[in-house]
Amino acid sequence: DSGVTQTPKHLITATGQRVTLRCSPRSGDLSVYWYQQSLDQGLQFLIQYYNGEERAKGNILERFSAQQFPDLHSELNLSSLELGDSALYFCASSEGLATSLGAAGELFFGEGSRLTVL
Amino acid sequence: AQSVTQLDSHVSVSEGTPVLLRCNYSSSYSPSLFWYVQHPNKGLQLLLKYTSAATLVKGINGFEAEFKKSETSFHLTKPSAHMSDAAEYFCVVIPRGGYNKLIFGAGTRLAVHP
Repeated sequence: DSGVTQTPKHLITATGQRVTLRCSPRSGDLSVYWYQQSLDQGLQFLIQYYNGEERAKGNILERFSAQQFPDLHSELNLSSLELGDSALYFCASSEGLATSLGAAGELFFGEGSRLTVL
Repeated sequence: AQSVTQLDSHVSVSEGTPVLLRCNYSSSYSPSLFWYVQHPNKGLQLLLKYTSAATLVKGINGFEAEFKKSETSFHLTKPSAHMSDAAEYFCVVIPRGGYNKLIFGAGTRLAVHP
């Protein structure tokens, strides 16, 4: 058990709808990351938050947004859903910003939220 | 740009035989490389990491990987496979200055047969 909790585990919705995925990081971790895993694109970094502030962006669509709350949990909002948004969305956390190589790369992943868009 | 290529999408071994999962990297500088494992219906877990110290890196569960600059490779090995090793394995590189923006390879699915 990584200590990262994601809800819901499974979600089925229709095109055009909006969903919210929730993530609680490990206790004490200030950084939260969102990754998308799909069959055609593989695992891709979406966005990172650190202590409530956005720190890095990856291949995140404009229809998607995220935020990190004062209690450090994070939400990923996906709107105007398309069939191609069907994927496994992972949240990960780490203690800090990993501004040095020695601290880099060790993220703790949740079990993911599987989104199916019909 | 940095990238990793996992040379095999599927590898099948018998229990007790060696495991070799191959990864080549592309980077304009000395990279930081990692292997992550994803068991069915589970999140990803860090197996090991290379950050320019010793070229032979030991990880959890008996896995190790060797960084070979001349071959631009970072292959994952284990002397003897266990049934519990069946999972998907990802080779990962970190871009310069983006220490936690992990760049994943396509993954290698390891099957272990009795």
